[in-house]
Amino acid sequence: EVQLVETGGGLIQPGGSLRLSCEASGFIVSTKFMSWVRQAPGKGLEWVSVSYSDAETYYADSVRGRFSISRDNSKNTLYLQMSGLRVEDTARYYCARERAAQSNANAFDLWGQGTMVTVSS
Amino acid sequence: QSVLTQPPSVSGAPGQTVTISCTGSGSNIGAGYDVHWYQQLPGTAPKLLIYDNNNRPSGVPDRFSGSRSGTSASLAITGLQAEDEADYYCQSHDSRVTGSRVFGTGTKVAVL
Repeated sequence: EVQLVETGGGLIQPGGSLRLSCEASGFIVSTKFMSWVRQAPGKGLEWVSVSYSDAETYYADSVRGRFSISRDNSKNTLYLQMSGLRVEDTARYYCARERAAQSNANAFDLWGQGTMVTVSS
Repeated sequence: QSVLTQPPSVSGAPGQTVTISCTGSGSNIGAGYDVHWYQQLPGTAPKLLIYDNNNRPSGVPDRFSGSRSGTSASLAITGLQAEDEADYYCQSHDSRVTGSRVFGTGTKVAVL
């Protein structure tokens, strides 16, 4: 079955760090552009970061310098290392696959169920 | 705040047609970047509804259609059904931030 499964969310204090994982099955992560998208409670979708490859990654202004996206091709898994967490980072974090590996305007054709991150003291 | 603006809500009776707009600018939709649409049912992950402006993935009913013109895009739902009650988001790229993906503000569709 083709799917994405995110893990690693939880309750963390402001300033803390957390690593999210997204394990893919049914396709090879290294052949795809992969993104993280988040959704704060009751709010809309916000793109966070994309990994084209190990060497080419991009970030939203709101997380640049604090978050780092990476992948382990041997485990077919995408990661999001989050540090310097803020209350406003509280959200459900989704892993999403892009349907094409060729431009900045690809659609997300596969989503995980998400993992909740709560930043609070 | 998002660079793609959608109406907060639209509503219609069963069987009617509703249209959701997605307004951008010259650095995103107006620059020719493709627009995609997602449906998010309550408590679930988003689902791709329309890709590359007007294409439906396999399994998406043809009641859903998309278009793009100038700096805007639209999603139309014809023959509205109770199961269409959900949040809808547009998505594209904005050239002002390298590698960025941008989502619209989201629209809640209510079936009366």
